[in-house]
Amino acid sequence: EVQLLESGGNLVQPGGSLRLSCAVSGFTFGGYAMSWVRQAPGKGLEWITGISAGGNKTLYADSVKGRFTVSRDNSENRLFLQMSSLRAEDTAVFYCARSPRYCIGEACSNNWFDRWGQGTLVTVSS
Amino acid sequence: SYELTQPPSVSVSPGQTARITCSGDALAKQYTHWYQQRPGQAPILLIFKDSERPSAIPERFSGTSSGTTVTLTISGVQAEDEADYLCQSADLSGVFPVFGGGTQLTVL
Repeated sequence: EVQLLESGGNLVQPGGSLRLSCAVSGFTFGGYAMSWVRQAPGKGLEWITGISAGGNKTLYADSVKGRFTVSRDNSENRLFLQMSSLRAEDTAVFYCARSPRYCIGEACSNNWFDRWGQGTLVTVSS
Repeated sequence: SYELTQPPSVSVSPGQTARITCSGDALAKQYTHWYQQRPGQAPILLIFKDSERPSAIPERFSGTSSGTTVTLTISGVQAEDEADYLCQSADLSGVFPVFGGGTQLTVL
């Protein structure tokens, strides 16, 4: 059974940092591109970053570029999101999501997300 | 920034057909995908590439595309279908995923 399980969400002060993790099982993690998608309270979904299956290509939304870093450890079946300079507007549930492709960007335009984790809540507040 | 537009809400009676639209300038050239999200739960992929359905999704969920508008159709709506439905495509470059604002389906 395919499973994605996020962890690391917490209450953090503005300007602080946090690292999220997504542990996966039930599929060959190294064969799939992955993304982080967030959802602010009462709002819609926002894609924020993606990483190719091999980890050699990453993409970021303008809203997080320069502050967030996505990475993966295919030997440990884990996806990570390092977040810094956090702002109140970063408060959201963060989901890890799998794309049924190995690549991202121009080589794999218009990716979609066929499996999602249950999400982890990040609250940025003083 | 590129946007996908969905109606905020749609209401139907059980057994009727619900149609949820998603509009965007690039949709004539880009595939659209649809997700169902129940309150407090993660999204579930319903439709990908405009009209393809994952094997676990019931046949009463279908997708069509016409120009810059795509439509999710739910035939024979059931009470359990009450949820938010979100479309997703890519921006004009095709590189960055973009989500619609979501449509709340109410089963009367």
